[in-house]
Amino acid sequence: GQNIDQPTEMTATEGAIVQINCTYQTSGFNGLFWYQQHAGEAPTFLSYNVLDGLEEKGRFSSFLSRSKGYSYLLLKELQMKDSASYLCAVLDSNYQLIWGAGTKLIIKP
Amino acid sequence: GAVVSQHPSWVICKSGTSVKIECRSLDFQATTMFWYRQFPKQSLMLMATSNEGSKATYEQGVEKDKFLINHASLTLSTLTVTSAHPEDSSFYICSARLAGGEIREQFFGPGTRLTVL
Repeated sequence: GQNIDQPTEMTATEGAIVQINCTYQTSGFNGLFWYQQHAGEAPTFLSYNVLDGLEEKGRFSSFLSRSKGYSYLLLKELQMKDSASYLCAVLDSNYQLIWGAGTKLIIKP
Repeated sequence: GAVVSQHPSWVICKSGTSVKIECRSLDFQATTMFWYRQFPKQSLMLMATSNEGSKATYEQGVEKDKFLINHASLTLSTLTVTSAHPEDSSFYICSARLAGGEIREQFFGPGTRLTVL
């Protein structure tokens, strides 16, 4: 079966750095997405990785290792507004998005 | 960037009534639209994939006669929840894939919160 694992909840301090991990087992792979979702809102796109390595975009970076079935989202200089759920999703061989359950990130002052 | 709208943003209805949710791609054409449902503190669950001009493909466990999907044009897909019951209360989100775009191009609407009394 297809499976995506990410921690349920993480807590971090304002101004700090946090890394949210995601491991996956899917039938085929056509890329991995990270989305941010605030409570009561739809997901918003953060990043897309299809090749191994690190993609940096401002305070957010995303890493992918296809051989390990592993990705992480790195958030630097955390701000209170970063408190949200972060969803990992993989595009499988049928170009269907397989979603993780999401990681709720709590930022403390 | 591409914009997807949903209407209504929220709806409250009585048990047994039907509710229609619209999903529109405002500034692009979408050959494929997706309908998701999200219960509190859970991840997105794909309900169905809708292709313009053809019947929707439903995920296992989703009743096609209860959740009617129509994708009549390249900019509009509708989801009708028929004979809604309290257990259908959820956050419904659509997304649209850019026609002719890269497979990864998928844009989400703002969601519709349905509460069935």
